[in-house]
Amino acid sequence: DQQVKQNSPSLSVQEGRISILNCDYTNSMFDYFLWYKKYPAEGPTFLISISSIKDKNEDGRFTVFLNKSAKHLSLHIVPSQPGDSAVYFCAASASSGYSTLTFGKGTMLLVSP
Amino acid sequence: NAGVTQTPKFRILKIGQSMTLQCAQDMNHNYMYWYRQDPGMGLKLIYYSVGAGITDKGEVPNGYNVSRSTTEDFPLRLELAAPSQTSVYFCASSDGLEETQYFGPGTRLLVL
Repeated sequence: DQQVKQNSPSLSVQEGRISILNCDYTNSMFDYFLWYKKYPAEGPTFLISISSIKDKNEDGRFTVFLNKSAKHLSLHIVPSQPGDSAVYFCAASASSGYSTLTFGKGTMLLVSP
Repeated sequence: NAGVTQTPKFRILKIGQSMTLQCAQDMNHNYMYWYRQDPGMGLKLIYYSVGAGITDKGEVPNGYNVSRSTTEDFPLRLELAAPSQTSVYFCASSDGLEETQYFGPGTRLLVL
């Protein structure tokens, strides 16, 4: 059973517009959430994270929103740039025990000029 | 500071062969992880380690073994390669406190 779900396999956006990537989770023990970005033939790189004590975290063009009651988080990229084209993975962890991450399947974002 | 390095980048194995995927990190991280990523799927945890001499199974450990004799190195061993182990393997490390994991570039393995 998937505990972290990214239901959109792909998303296409025009340069300059907003990209919104969504992620849902089922495990109520998850209290830390991360987004990773992955280019082809490279390893994932950390993008942004959010703790369950917050509902929003910003870093430049990237903002992550967390809705705990809905068990939903989203990543907003504004404005989107062609270099943002990559696969974005949502990941979650529970602070109790060891810090292992559970990943979603990823959403491929394509930003066209 | 190289971060997390993995060797080899690509390998073809015959069914039944064995090999070791190498992973090293120079960030003095206590936590290290091995993941596999199949096409269209997310990363699945194979094994992880919270320090030298301590390892534990992840979600998909069958067919793999690990050891952690030093803080820097975390090799992954495949004893009897099977076609189901065709995948891209990623090693990662973290300091365990911030939960952020830093990944290596991956090893693409093809078992025929």
